[in-house]
Amino acid sequence: DAGVIQSPRHEVTEMGQEVTLRCKPISGHNSLFWYRQTMMRGLELLIYFNNNVPIDDSGMPEDRFSAKMPNASFSTLKIQPSEPRDSAVYFCASNYGGAVFNEQYFGPGTRLTVT
Amino acid sequence: SQQGEEDPQALSIQEGENATMNCSYKTSINNLQWYRQNSGRGLVHLILIRSNEREKHSGRLRVTLDTSKKSSSLLITASRAADTASYFCATDGGGSYIPTFGRGTSLIVHP
Repeated sequence: DAGVIQSPRHEVTEMGQEVTLRCKPISGHNSLFWYRQTMMRGLELLIYFNNNVPIDDSGMPEDRFSAKMPNASFSTLKIQPSEPRDSAVYFCASNYGGAVFNEQYFGPGTRLTVT
Repeated sequence: SQQGEEDPQALSIQEGENATMNCSYKTSINNLQWYRQNSGRGLVHLILIRSNEREKHSGRLRVTLDTSKKSSSLLITASRAADTASYFCATDGGGSYIPTFGRGTSLIVHP
């Protein structure tokens, strides 16, 4: 298996622009997680999907952030409009879980820079 | 606030020495996991220890769990330069199955 795939790997955009990050989880996994990592705040869970349904989005910082999972093999995280403080590395992770906290498989991340 | 907190924040040792990192957490857990992150990469799962286990081994890794003290430790024996990375503990906050990661311990192993 190719592992969790994220695109793009790097994104540089100007403040106010829309940014869309993409994730393809490992085939057969039913849970998907979006994280944000910064030096200041560490690794933060933004949203968690189980069987394509958002279960917990309490970590989504503002209404500017939205996430979708239209099917089991694809998810997007959108920021509109983007701001410089959104600059971070965004990770997607997947696993087979739901009622149990199982091992997570992380993608390589998308490094977002908002100028 | 973070559920798991690693200690120390940074650790610098010579190749061949042992490295010990600690994790403290606040609420009851079902299991605790340790992950490694190399610079510029995603996190990689190292080991999972369940709440009813006290010790677990995987190669040069040894993890202990003390639920009475709400703490865990990760020991890397005979460290190598390739072990240089950040190490994170993650807990599920007592059945919430929503993971919470600590801030990590940055380990540097000098050749």
